[in-house]
Amino acid sequence: EAQVTQNPRYLITVTGKKLTVTCSQNMNHEYMSWYRQDPGLGLRQIYYSMNVEVTDKGDVPEGYKVSRKEKRNFPLILESPSPNQTSLYFCASSLSHRRYTEAFFGQGTRLTVV
Amino acid sequence: QKEVEQNSGPLSVPEGAIASLNCTYSDRGSQSFFWYRQYSGKSPELIMFIYSNGDKEDGRFTAQLNKASQYVSLLIRDSQPSDSATYLCAATTGGFKTIFGAGTRLFVKA
Repeated sequence: EAQVTQNPRYLITVTGKKLTVTCSQNMNHEYMSWYRQDPGLGLRQIYYSMNVEVTDKGDVPEGYKVSRKEKRNFPLILESPSPNQTSLYFCASSLSHRRYTEAFFGQGTRLTVV
Repeated sequence: QKEVEQNSGPLSVPEGAIASLNCTYSDRGSQSFFWYRQYSGKSPELIMFIYSNGDKEDGRFTAQLNKASQYVSLLIRDSQPSDSATYLCAATTGGFKTIFGAGTRLFVKA
């Protein structure tokens, strides 16, 4: 089954404790993204990756890091989480940036930073 | 700041009616446009994409694009209660980013 898998689904952590949210896709997609979704603000792109070892900032990259060492995986790293990073996070993948004929989102990760 | 604007709603239509959802975008370099449906507590699901001016139809859904007016719309014919969701409009920028609107909540009354 074609899918994007995020883990964990729910996470409560304390300020400053490094964490990683994993994202994996099984469709050989080139383009992967991370978004955060906050009430009234919609989805905002954090980072995206055009392919292996090619990543770039989205609109809200501050406080986040990503890596793309393998095509299927695109982890999101919060080196020192703060309460303003409490949000719902989605990973997404598509065949390529402009061809969204196959655009998939993961199930989401609800992160709370206290 | 490049933006995608949507009316937050809620938009309420009776079952069987046409629901019309609208979106404007600020970046004239945007090439590709998408409509996602998001049920409460769920992930966004792509329902339509459009790249060229004009209309694109898929079942009960029609996407309309007017690049001169920087305007995208989604029509849902014969609306069903199961169409009740938040609809997100998105556009690619001149680079490789994707910008989403805040979404329009649609309620279809049985």
